[in-house]
Amino acid sequence: AQSVTQLGSHVSVSEGALVLLRCNYSSSVPPYLFWYVQYPNQGLQLLLKYTTGATLVKGINGFEAEFKKSETSFHLTKPSAHMSDAAEYFCAALQGNRDDKIIFGKGTRLHILP
Amino acid sequence: DAGVIQSPRHEVTEMGQEVTLRCKPISGHDYLFWYRQTMMRGLELLIYFNNNVPIDDSGMPEDRFSAKMPNASFSTLKIQPSEPRDSAVYFCASSPGQGIGYGYTFGSGTRLTVV
Repeated sequence: AQSVTQLGSHVSVSEGALVLLRCNYSSSVPPYLFWYVQYPNQGLQLLLKYTTGATLVKGINGFEAEFKKSETSFHLTKPSAHMSDAAEYFCAALQGNRDDKIIFGKGTRLHILP
Repeated sequence: DAGVIQSPRHEVTEMGQEVTLRCKPISGHDYLFWYRQTMMRGLELLIYFNNNVPIDDSGMPEDRFSAKMPNASFSTLKIQPSEPRDSAVYFCASSPGQGIGYGYTFGSGTRLTVV
């Protein structure tokens, strides 16, 4: 079964520093991958998605992620952190060969230090 | 479009009471998903529907939980009787079609507290 592992339940970076949130997936077939963001007391919002084609995917708010099949990774990055980026981030993948059920990682809470 | 609408936003109830959570998906979305979020277990898929038909309810924790989708614009998640361990944030999400390339649109959630 498909699984998604996010390394680090909490990550702290200084404002203006690089943001790197790690995600690895397990799949015997090429997955479809997503990053979602959850701000306090809100639902999840889609940041970006990888389906096919270009492996570097750009999303909203300056975030991007790169699909690396050889490393089974889909890490999320942003060159310069802003205070408003403080939130919880979820990596997700479509499950196995099915195309209608997304599996979520456990989430990484991003803290931005002034 | 108003997005996925959930009600109530907050619910506090006593152990043993029946609780009903409501969801209105985005018009035209064929899929509807119910998730539960807790600190300990993260996001758990409880059940999902396609064209109002339950497809996979393997995530429903116990018989105390039930979900219905009587029409394309409304779904309920019911807990009867409720227990303190059911305290969580319950999210509803919808998708315009099969998951490929679409992702889900989430509601703002219902925070349930069972005392």
